[in-house]
This record gives sequence, C-alpha cells and structure tokens, in this order.
Amino acid sequence: AQSVTQLGSHVSVSEGALVLLRCNYSSSVPPYLFWYVQYPNQGLQLLLKYTSAATLVKGINGFEAEFKKSETSFHLTKPSAHMSDAAEYFCAVSRSTDSWGKLQFGAGTQVVVTP
Amino acid sequence: GAVVSQHPSRVICKSGTSVKIECRSLDFQATTMFWYRQFPKQSLMLMATSNEGSKATYEQGVEKDKFLINHASLTLSTLTVTSAHPEDSSFYICSAQIRDSFQETQYFGPGTRLLVL
Repeated sequence: AQSVTQLGSHVSVSEGALVLLRCNYSSSVPPYLFWYVQYPNQGLQLLLKYTSAATLVKGINGFEAEFKKSETSFHLTKPSAHMSDAAEYFCAVSRSTDSWGKLQFGAGTQVVVTP
Repeated sequence: GAVVSQHPSRVICKSGTSVKIECRSLDFQATTMFWYRQFPKQSLMLMATSNEGSKATYEQGVEKDKFLINHASLTLSTLTVTSAHPEDSSFYICSAQIRDSFQETQYFGPGTRLLVL
C-alpha cells in the first residue's frame, strides 16, 4: 500500500526566503510522485511530477523537487518565496502502476508568506 | 491548459434529500474521471474511479449505493449523494484524466462544498 507523510501542517516563510516542504512516502511499487498546489476556492494545480526519469524535477513557478529513493523522500523547494506562493501544498503518490490518476495524498501543508 | 468545471460550487440541502454534483471536462474528452472528498483540515481521499460507459470502481469503505456515479459521456461525470446526512458534508473534488501513449495527466475541478443540515 502507498502512503504519504507531509511534515508540518503549516509553514511560515519570509518573502525572498527559501521554501522547503517535506514529503516522505511509502510504496510497494516504484512510485510516481506529485506535488499539487491549491489556492483558496480553486482546484488543485500540478506543480511537478516524478515518473522514474530524472531524480531532480523542475516544475512551474520556480519550484523543484528531488526524489531520493534511499530516504523515501520527495521534498519540494523554491529558492525565493513570493507572496503569490501562499497556498496549500499537497504531496501525492500514485496508488497504481497502471493508472496515475488514483492518488494517495498527504495531509497538506499550508504556506504563509510574510513580507 | 485543460479545464475541468464542477457544478454547483456549493450546495446546502436537508437531511434525507439527494444531491447531484456534475464534473465536466470543458475542452477535452476524458474516458476516466476520479472523485475525491476532502474533510476540513484534512487531505483528499479517493472515493471512486469513473469510467465512461461502464460502472464506477469504488474504493474500500465507500458505499456505492450512497454515492452513485454516472459517466455517461466523455465530458461529464456525475456524483449523486443519496439520502444525504450531516456526516456527508464535505468538499467533493473531481479530476479528469488525459491519457496518451506516454503519460497520464490529471486536471482537477474547483470542488463542490456540500453542507447537509
């Protein structure tokens, strides 16, 4: 079975500072991993995904994530936070090797950006 | 990018009534859609996989007779919460899948907030 753990339900970061959101997973099969962002009253938007190619994945809005198999981690980073990055972020792992759409989500991390 | 809509965006109903939620892919066809529910301050939980022209596949613990899913066309899936009760109050989110030879991509709708009184 697959599971996802996001460390920290709330993260506060200063504008211009590094954003680091932690995600650890467990999976009985080679994982497909995803990061989604959810703005208030909007649907989830895909930031980036890992599908067994390069371990360092670059996404939209300056975000990137590194897949580390030895640590079963897929942490999300952005070098310099912007006010518009304030949102909720979800890490997810695909529950099925024949369909990426069945996702197991982490509990989410709310990011607050302070001026 | 591809757009998925949900209707209504929020609904309030009385206990015992049924509520239908629509999920539409506006500019693409989706043979597969997924339904999730999200409780306050919690993550999304997959409820079922909706396949066009066939029966939905429900996750363990999800009552198929209570959460009726119909995927009658390549652009529309509906979730009907039958005989709703206050514990069914939640945020329901759908996603629609585009699948090509190389990968699958999910596009999420904005969600429907259901409040059962």
